[in-house]
Amino acid sequence: KAGVTQTPRYLIKTRGQQVTLSCSPISGHRSVSWYQQTPGQGLQFLFEYFSETQRNKGNFPGRFSGRQFSNSRSEMNVSTLELGDSALYLCASSPDGTVVYEQYFGPGTRLTVT
Amino acid sequence: EDKVVQSPLSLVVHEGDTVTLNCSYEVTNFRSLLWYKQEKKAPTFLFMLTSSGIEKKSGRLSSILDKKELSSILNITATQTGDSAIYLCAVAPGTSYGKLTFGQGTILTVHP
Repeated sequence: KAGVTQTPRYLIKTRGQQVTLSCSPISGHRSVSWYQQTPGQGLQFLFEYFSETQRNKGNFPGRFSGRQFSNSRSEMNVSTLELGDSALYLCASSPDGTVVYEQYFGPGTRLTVT
Repeated sequence: EDKVVQSPLSLVVHEGDTVTLNCSYEVTNFRSLLWYKQEKKAPTFLFMLTSSGIEKKSGRLSSILDKKELSSILNITATQTGDSAIYLCAVAPGTSYGKLTFGQGTILTVHP
């Protein structure tokens, strides 16, 4: 079974630009969660999608948004990029997002904002 | 606010040593605790613990949860250089879909 895939793997953007990251979950998994990982803050939860609906959201500004498609693939968008948005963005999938199931992570997208 | 604290933050050992990593948590409506290993990019799943006192084991790795003490330990016996990684502890509250709250991680370095 193929794992979680994320594209692109690396991105360099300029302050003020916007960026879209993509995540394809493990086949059959319908829940996708997004996390931001930085050296200072560690792994922090952004949001979770299930059946095209955002069910949960972390404490991030509205510049961070996401969506999920009918095939469970998910995208996250960051608008008006700031230097502090430089991070590793990880997505994780699970069958239905409940605490009964562990989450499986993709390789991440490394975003650098200059 | 949910909180997970791991200790030590870093650890340097030699091959063959046994290590114990600690994780303590404060979470509303606790449901499960998970351990992950992160080497280069993606955290890889190790264990999920939901019941107190029941050890989970996989090869040289084992883990146990103590709900009374709000903590968990991850043991690695006969360490190898391939065990060098960041070990992450996370908790899942029962009322929060898809959200894991992570600790800051323990950086383990195993020298030959």
